[in-house]
Amino acid sequence: NAGVMQNPRHLVRRRGQEARLRCSPMKGHSHVYWYRQLPEEGLKFMVYLQKENIIDESGMPKERFSAEFPKEGPSILRIQQVVRGDSAAYFCASSLTGDTEAFFGQGTRLTVV
Amino acid sequence: DQQVKQNSPSLSVQEGRISILNCDYTNSMFDYFLWYKKYPAEGPTFLISISSIKDKNEDGRFTVFLNKSAKHLSLHIVPSQPGDSAVYFCAASRTNTGNQFYFGTGTSLTVIP
Repeated sequence: NAGVMQNPRHLVRRRGQEARLRCSPMKGHSHVYWYRQLPEEGLKFMVYLQKENIIDESGMPKERFSAEFPKEGPSILRIQQVVRGDSAAYFCASSLTGDTEAFFGQGTRLTVV
Repeated sequence: DQQVKQNSPSLSVQEGRISILNCDYTNSMFDYFLWYKKYPAEGPTFLISISSIKDKNEDGRFTVFLNKSAKHLSLHIVPSQPGDSAVYFCAASRTNTGNQFYFGTGTSLTVIP
């Protein structure tokens, strides 16, 4: 029973490029969450999705960031026109229901050069 | 606006002794609390949780205590082992709204052999 799978593990992008981060939840989990950890900080909630629906995006920056969780395939966090300040570890978590513990993937470390 | 705070960035404990990690929160609407453990370059691993209807939950060497009036929770690890050395994050959420956890900034625990 594979855990939450994120890819790539490491991603390097030049300023202005697009970054796409993928997350495959645990089998049977339909609730997906994205968190960001900036250097020397804790994890910050970004967005909560269920299949084909964004439930809560209150933690998402207003511009350049978007997320989706299609009916088929992984959840995608997309960052357009990346800037140096986007460099962080991005973690995806999934849960069976909205109020059971969430399991995290190993994260994608984005570096913007 | 940090709604969950871990005021001790680091803690060192001798092997076999008790480790006590503390966490404070400000939002009285939080009713579900969790502790996650994180090793470098890995995602957070769920450790233990507690609902606000309880004041204590125990799982092996790990016990979480919740003091609702003080808006404080703590994680006790006894006896501490070198493999417990990691960063510990506490998190809080409101049930029935999804796992939009609010994380503290983490406490780095070092267990000295």
